[in-house]
Amino acid sequence: KAGVTQTPRYLIKTRGQQVTLSCSPISGHRSVSWYQQTPGQGLQFLFEYFSETQRNKGNFPGRFSGRQFSNSRSEMNVSTLELGDSALYLCASSPGAGAPSVGGYTFGSGTRLTVV
Amino acid sequence: SQQGEEDPQALSIQEGENATMNCSYKTSINNLQWYRQNSGRGLVHLILIRSNEREKHSGRLRVTLDTSKKSSSLLITASRAADTASYFCATDASGGGSNYKLTFGKGTLLTVNP
Repeated sequence: KAGVTQTPRYLIKTRGQQVTLSCSPISGHRSVSWYQQTPGQGLQFLFEYFSETQRNKGNFPGRFSGRQFSNSRSEMNVSTLELGDSALYLCASSPGAGAPSVGGYTFGSGTRLTVV
Repeated sequence: SQQGEEDPQALSIQEGENATMNCSYKTSINNLQWYRQNSGRGLVHLILIRSNEREKHSGRLRVTLDTSKKSSSLLITASRAADTASYFCATDASGGGSNYKLTFGKGTLLTVNP
């Protein structure tokens, strides 16, 4: 079955612009979560959605937002981009009803965002 | 903030040798997971161990969990050059209708030399 699909794979934006990243989870999975990975801060949780509802949010400024659609696909948006937003953004899907089963979370290949 | 702390930060071994990575965490957990990442790509789930389990095996992987010490270890036996990657532990405190997130350590970069 198809894995987690993230688009685009690479993105270059200018400071001050905004960006939208997309994530399509595994078919049947209702939970999508987002993580930011940087060399300095490592992997940090952004937010998690289940059935179009945000269930948890990490410690990021309000410039970072997300949403989930009825087909479980999710988007995250970053407005007023800063140089420090350059990172690999990863999304993960899971069935979502509770803590994951033995299979854990399935991650996409990520979107590498560069802000210049 | 990072809950898990992996040790060592980097490990270089020869093919055929065993690799052991350790992870410590700070708060109560529901489960602990290990992931692998090749060259800045996506994370691949390796193994999940629940808080009421002490040891788990999957192929060449062996994971232990000591909740009293809030620590875990990942052992890769008979390593191969293809095992070269970064390995992350991640704690999951999901339960009771809250959390739903993984808290990652900074990772161990494993290099397996042919």
